[in-house]
Amino acid sequence: QKEVEQNSGPLSVPEGAIASLNCTYSDRGSQSFFWYRQYSGKSPELIMFIYSNGDKEDGRFTAQLNKASQYVSLLIRDSQPSDSATYLCAFSGGFKTIFGAGTRLFVKA
Amino acid sequence: SQTIHQWPATLVQPVGSPLSLECTVEGTSNPNLYWYRQAAGRGLQLLFYSVGIGQISSEVPQNLSASRPQDRQFILSSKKLLLSDSGFYLCASHRVNTEAFFGQGTRLTVV
Repeated sequence: QKEVEQNSGPLSVPEGAIASLNCTYSDRGSQSFFWYRQYSGKSPELIMFIYSNGDKEDGRFTAQLNKASQYVSLLIRDSQPSDSATYLCAFSGGFKTIFGAGTRLFVKA
Repeated sequence: SQTIHQWPATLVQPVGSPLSLECTVEGTSNPNLYWYRQAAGRGLQLLFYSVGIGQISSEVPQNLSASRPQDRQFILSSKKLLLSDSGFYLCASHRVNTEAFFGQGTRLTVV
């Protein structure tokens, strides 16, 4: 059974701080890893994808992948109240994408 | 890029009634299509996926079925809804190892 584990939170950070979200996955053969943001009542939207070990930066977001440890993280710098949402970690396993249950993030103004 | 059209946005149905949710895709051909369900505060549960017309793979035995009558159309159905069928239903499209595109979702409440 392929799985993704995330801390459900909630994770609360003050505005302007760095939010750190973590995820572990079970399938060593996974090639593609994704972070989605989901606002309450809305569908998920892609924030970042990463395929290679190391860091990938896009604006205020940095994804980190460590395939040896089967670990993916998302850092959000200068957190804003609009970043308050649930963040879903996912990996692609062939035809399927396996999603974690998500971490709820609250950014306090 | 792809656009996933999904309707209705909200639906309230009595127990025992039938269900039909439709999803259509624009901007791509031969997509892999997926139906997910999300219970309140939970992750996405894959229900069905389809790699082509008439090809349906079921992930979880349950009260639902899916059909793919056309390349860019995916339908989720039930003959008799149960209370446990309530949830947020999402249609998605993606190719192998690429990002998923989601429809707006349908909030189903079975009463």
